[in-house]
Amino acid sequence: TQLLEQSPQFLSIQEGENLTVYCNSSSVFSSLQWYRQEPGEGPVLLVTVVTGGEVKKLKRLTFQFGDARKDSSLHITAAQPGDTGLYLCAGSLSGGSYIPTFGRGTSLIVHP
Amino acid sequence: KAGVTQTPRYLIKTRGQQVTLSCSPISGHRSVSWYQQTPGQGLQFLFEYFSETQRNKGNFPGRFSGRQFSNSRSEMNVSTLELGDSALYLCASSSMPRDQPQHFGDGTRLSIL
Repeated sequence: TQLLEQSPQFLSIQEGENLTVYCNSSSVFSSLQWYRQEPGEGPVLLVTVVTGGEVKKLKRLTFQFGDARKDSSLHITAAQPGDTGLYLCAGSLSGGSYIPTFGRGTSLIVHP
Repeated sequence: KAGVTQTPRYLIKTRGQQVTLSCSPISGHRSVSWYQQTPGQGLQFLFEYFSETQRNKGNFPGRFSGRQFSNSRSEMNVSTLELGDSALYLCASSSMPRDQPQHFGDGTRLSIL
């Protein structure tokens, strides 16, 4: 059982479309991170959200942390081919031992 | 500023052998954590080292071990390799322990024949 469930698992869209990726859990997290990983490379940290209800924007990317700190979403506006990659959410449980937990990822392909 | 460096990038071994992977963190970072990434299980935390001491450990068998040197460089060792150990092994460095991984290396791709 995955502590962090990501959906969808795969996403193939055309350039210019909008999309949302979800990261859900039944557990409370002290913080959540979003990473993007390209083939042959390690994950690159995009953002960390800490406060329930927090919204962060990074150019065309909008990240939201749920009020109860159990879920998060990543919204991309007007996707571009350069957004192609594997998007991973990660976090460590609130009040527990430090074991970073990752979702299985959402593989995004943006066609020109 | 140089990033996290992992060597080698690719490695092929056979069942029963052992392997040592190396990770040099970003200069000034004293925390190094290791992860295993497979298509089936995704990214899983192996362990974290800070100031030459293992601070946290994931749920992996004792065949997986590591160490950290005084210059913060870290090595990971896997003994008695199994086919299921084929994976991308990633290390990440941070300034402090228990920080969420900030900077990942590009990994070592280990294939077991």
